[in-house]
Amino acid sequence: DIQVTQSPSFLSASVGDRVTITCRASQDISSFLAWFQQTPGKAPKLLIYAASTLQSGVPSRFSGSGSGTEFTLTISSLQPEDFATYYCQQLNDYPRTFGQGTKVEIK
Amino acid sequence: QVQLQESGPGLVKPSETLSLTCSVSGDSDSMSGSNWSWIRQTPGRGLEWIGYIFQSGTANYNLSLKGRATISMDTSRKQFSLRLKSVTAADSALYYCAREIHYYDYGGHISYWYFDVWGRGALVTVSS
Repeated sequence: DIQVTQSPSFLSASVGDRVTITCRASQDISSFLAWFQQTPGKAPKLLIYAASTLQSGVPSRFSGSGSGTEFTLTISSLQPEDFATYYCQQLNDYPRTFGQGTKVEIK
Repeated sequence: QVQLQESGPGLVKPSETLSLTCSVSGDSDSMSGSNWSWIRQTPGRGLEWIGYIFQSGTANYNLSLKGRATISMDTSRKQFSLRLKSVTAADSALYYCAREIHYYDYGGHISYWYFDVWGRGALVTVSS
């Protein structure tokens, strides 16, 4: 199975901050990576697919980059509704696997 | 706009079979061309992909489940289902159904798959 590792696991930030989350895959997955946001009691919400394509309706302050084994999710200016847990997922192969999550908390 | 809704018992006894159904609503032709998937989430193991079924009936499962999972589909009722046999406490989780679709990049001649729609989740506890 392809292992996906996120860092950091926890992140404390303030409204307006620029936030970057990293995801590393255990092997080359090209651009087959997605990012999700999850708030308590809700299902994961797709933010980005194909490593850098913004899902329809997702604010432009979210962006994704990377290919191969290293990827990043950037929130350019953190908003109150962005405090959540973020997951990356590889879609290069089955089984689909997820990172362990990055919880973004209010500083 | 496609929507998914899980349903099924919230409590299952150890060694018995967990059964969940996902109902698909919205687009009239919404079950074609997509992988219909089950994913579960626990605080300890995070998000775990269980498997999918395609409209042809082809299914693919996570080998970590050791052959205990079966996913089936009833397109006439716009539903797909998960059966997980011989459950233990380790199978207690929040179970999501989700749609996996693909986007074809004509420039790069590549299909990108992604999970765009999820149900709200069904909490299943395995306990006697």
